[in-house]
Amino acid sequence: GQQLNQSPQSMFIQEGEDVSMNCTSSSIFNTWLWYKQDPGEGPVLLIALYKAGELTSNGRLTAQFGITRKDSFLNISASIPSDVGIYFCAGPGYAGNNRKLIWGLGTSLAVNP
Amino acid sequence: EADIYQTPRYLVIGTGKKITLECSQTMGHDKMYWYQQDPGMELHLIHYSYGVNSTEKGDLSSESTVSRIRTEHFPLTLESARPSHTSQYLCASSLDSTEAFFGQGTRLTVV
Repeated sequence: GQQLNQSPQSMFIQEGEDVSMNCTSSSIFNTWLWYKQDPGEGPVLLIALYKAGELTSNGRLTAQFGITRKDSFLNISASIPSDVGIYFCAGPGYAGNNRKLIWGLGTSLAVNP
Repeated sequence: EADIYQTPRYLVIGTGKKITLECSQTMGHDKMYWYQQDPGMELHLIHYSYGVNSTEKGDLSSESTVSRIRTEHFPLTLESARPSHTSQYLCASSLDSTEAFFGQGTRLTVV
């Protein structure tokens, strides 16, 4: 079935550093979604990408939809302690005949103040 | 702001008890989902629904059951809770099969 490979699995950085993470697949995706999950909470949608090559920003976050439609990148600039959490990529795919969201395994981010 | 609510937020219950986790959304979404997640780990889809009276099992086998009698309500039931059911349960809804909105989750501990 369709899979999303997310890397790195975890990151430990100093406050103020920039962060980059990515998500790749052997299948083509027509939409890429990036979520953040704070500890003990549900995931929250950060950025949605709908077009190959699209670059979208949300404050200090920037995400890109890869031109091959098989990858996406999320960058966080000037990290702050509240950036701590797990970042998931997701995209709509198929399981049998049913369309549903496919999820990456997440990138866990820790920020040292 | 997403309008999807889960209750309770936290539940500690004894082995063998029957429990129902509630999930409601006010966005009129047809599609709803239940995910199971251990701390810091990946999301596992255990149930989904594409509309009233439609429910399907997800990727991860679960002893829980769900029902969808009303569009806005998608409860999850465990007939006999066991310690292996200890986990976080996340409910989500979406208008189509793309952007999903999540509730805050229910952290279940079975002792």
